Amino acid sequence: NAGVTQTPKFQVLKTGQSMTLQCAQDMNHNSMYWYRQDPGMGLRLIYYSASEGTTDKGEVPNGYNVSRLNKREFSLRLESAAPSQTSVYFCASSGGQGVNTEAFFGQGTRLTVV
Amino acid sequence: GEDVEQSLFLSVREGDSSVINCTYTDSSSTYLYWYKQEPGAGLQLLTYIFSNMDMKQDQRLTVLLNKKDKHLSLRIADTQTGDSAIYFCAPEAAGNKLTFGGGTRVLVKP
Repeated sequence: NAGVTQTPKFQVLKTGQSMTLQCAQDMNHNSMYWYRQDPGMGLRLIYYSASEGTTDKGEVPNGYNVSRLNKREFSLRLESAAPSQTSVYFCASSGGQGVNTEAFFGQGTRLTVV
Repeated sequence: GEDVEQSLFLSVREGDSSVINCTYTDSSSTYLYWYKQEPGAGLQLLTYIFSNMDMKQDQRLTVLLNKKDKHLSLRIADTQTGDSAIYFCAPEAAGNKLTFGGGTRVLVKP
C-alpha cells in the first residue's frame, strides 16, 4: 500500500519551460489536492478535486492547470514556469466523506525555476 | 477564506513540555488537525480534535480547543529530540478543505 505517490521528487526548469507533476493514490479517496509550501507561509492550496471529473481553484491557482485523469490520478501542470513558482509541491488525498477529512500527503516535489 | 496564524519558532529543552498555539477565523470548522512535518518529508497527521470537544489527550499529546476565542493549542509532554519538526495547525474549512497555518518550527535542545 503505497499511499500517495508523487513524481518527480526534484526538478529544475528554465523560465518559460513547461512540466507536469504527477500524483497517484491507491486509497480509493474521492478528494485530491495540490499544495505549494514556501518558507513561513505554510501550505497554500493551488487546486483541488472533490471527486473524479471535478476540479476547483484554491488560494493560488494562477499559472497552474490540473487534470483529474481518473479517481487515482491528479496532475498539476505548469505551462510556462516562472521563478515565483520555485517551491515544494505536495499532493494530498482524503476520503472526503462524512466528517473526517484526514489528508494523506505525498513526499513532495522540490521545483526550482531558474 | 479562513486565516490560520501560528508562531514561527519554539525552542524547548529535552524533557520539558512544548506548547504550540494556533488561532483561526472560521468558526464552522468541524475538525481541527495537527500535522507534523519532519525534514525533507511530507506532512503526517499527528492528532485532531472534534469541534464539540474542549480537550483531547493522546499519550504525550494534549489538544485544547477554545471555540469562543478560536484558539487551538498542542501540548507535547516530555519533549524528545525526535519531536523536532514543523507543526501545522489545519482547521477544516468549508467544502472539506484544509487550511494550513504557516507552521511552527520546534527545536528540541538536549
